[in-house]
Amino acid sequence: DSGVTQTPKHLITATGQRVTLRCSPRSGDLSVYWYQQSLDQGLQFLIQYYNGEERAKGNILERFSAQQFPDLHSELNLSSLELGDSALYFCASSRTGGGSPLHFGNGTRLTVT
Amino acid sequence: AQTVTQSQPEMSVQEAETVTLSCTYDTSESDYYLFWYKQPPSRQMILVIRQEAYKQQNATENRFSVNFQKAAKSFSLKISDSQLGDAAMYFCAYRSALTQGGSEKLVFGKGTKLTVNP
Repeated sequence: DSGVTQTPKHLITATGQRVTLRCSPRSGDLSVYWYQQSLDQGLQFLIQYYNGEERAKGNILERFSAQQFPDLHSELNLSSLELGDSALYFCASSRTGGGSPLHFGNGTRLTVT
Repeated sequence: AQTVTQSQPEMSVQEAETVTLSCTYDTSESDYYLFWYKQPPSRQMILVIRQEAYKQQNATENRFSVNFQKAAKSFSLKISDSQLGDAAMYFCAYRSALTQGGSEKLVFGKGTKLTVNP
C-alpha cells in the first residue's frame, strides 16, 4: 500500500460529460502529481501541485483542470469528455527535495462511451 | 527538456535466469535522480530502485540492481534469479534535482514489457 488514495477506482461516462477524480496524498507529502496513461502508453505528466499552489504543468488539455486543497487532497476535473480521454489516471505524491520518489495511487480507470 | 528512451518494447526471460532492461536519457543537467518502476497487470506503479546521479556506486535492492553510466547517460536494470512475479511493464524515469521553483515531476520512458517463462 503506497498510502496514496484515489477515488473512484472506475468511472464510466458519456462523451460531453464532466467528471472529478480525487486524490489523497501520503501523510506528510506536500506535492501531488497527476499522470495520464492511455492504452499501451507510457505515463504522461499532466500537472503538479505543491502545498496548494500549481508548481508545473505538462500536457494538460484546457478541458482539464486541477486543484489542491488546504488539507492537501487534490482533484482533477475533466470536462467535455471525448472518447480519447479514456485512460488510467494516476495521482502520485512525494516529499520535497532529496530526490524523493513518487508514490502512486492505484489509479482511476476512466471509460468514455 | 529531458527525455527517456527505452529501446526494448518487450523482453522475455526464463525463470531463475538474469535479464537486463535498457534505458537511456538525455539531459543537460548534472544533478538528477533516476528510477525504475514496475507496473504489474494490476496496473499499480511500484518503485523498484532509485539512483542518485552524483553517486558513482550502483544502487541495489535484493535481486534488482542497476548499471549507471553517467557519461553515456545510460541506466539499465538487471533482474537476477527472475521470478514469475517479476512479469510486468518496467518504466525508467528521470527526475531533476532542481527544487527552487522547479518541478520534481518524473519523466517516464515508454516502458519495457517483461515476460517470465516458467
